[in-house]
Amino acid sequence: GNSVTQMEGPVTLSEEAFLTINCTYTATGYPSLFWYVQYPGEGLQLLLKATKADDKGSNKGFEATYRKETTSFHLEKGSVQVSDSAVYFCALSDLDTGNQFYFGTGTSLTVIP
Amino acid sequence: KAGVTQTPRYLIKTRGQQVTLSCSPISGHRSVSWYQQTPGQGLQFLFEYFSETQRNKGNFPGRFSGRQFSNSRSEMNVSTLELGDSALYLCASSFLGKVNTEAFFGQGTRLTVV
Repeated sequence: GNSVTQMEGPVTLSEEAFLTINCTYTATGYPSLFWYVQYPGEGLQLLLKATKADDKGSNKGFEATYRKETTSFHLEKGSVQVSDSAVYFCALSDLDTGNQFYFGTGTSLTVIP
Repeated sequence: KAGVTQTPRYLIKTRGQQVTLSCSPISGHRSVSWYQQTPGQGLQFLFEYFSETQRNKGNFPGRFSGRQFSNSRSEMNVSTLELGDSALYLCASSFLGKVNTEAFFGQGTRLTVV
């Protein structure tokens, strides 16, 4: 079956530090991979996506590369800001399960000045 | 372009009651999915509707049901509420419901069962 395993949090970083949040997946088909972000009291917002192996998704300084050989989609940012404080979710969807998304458990990030 | 709209934002219900939540997708989006978010279980898929038909269903009891109207608006209903149904319920819409299409989420309905 499909599943996503995500690095446990919470993560606390100082402003301008480097961020990595690990994400690995298991899928029976050919999944697309996503990172979503959730701010307090809000729904989920798409941060970036990749639809096939070796694709790199990027947005607002965040990047993630779809690695089929290691079944991973790690999120990185070179220099975090206080405004990046939120919960980050790795997710996948694939052809076999239509539009159903499988989410990781979420990683809470706090950036301190 | 308006985003996904969920109403109401907050609800407090008593055990045993039933509740109906509403979701208006982004204009032109025909796929609507529902998720339950709790601190213990994370985000769990409830069901997906496309063109008024349920295409996919998660592992939830029959007390959880939904429907979609011809204008793509969707409702979900929970009957005989239990304390464990307290959660944030998120609706997501997608264009044409095709795979690889990102889902756009609403702000959610926070349901508290007392």
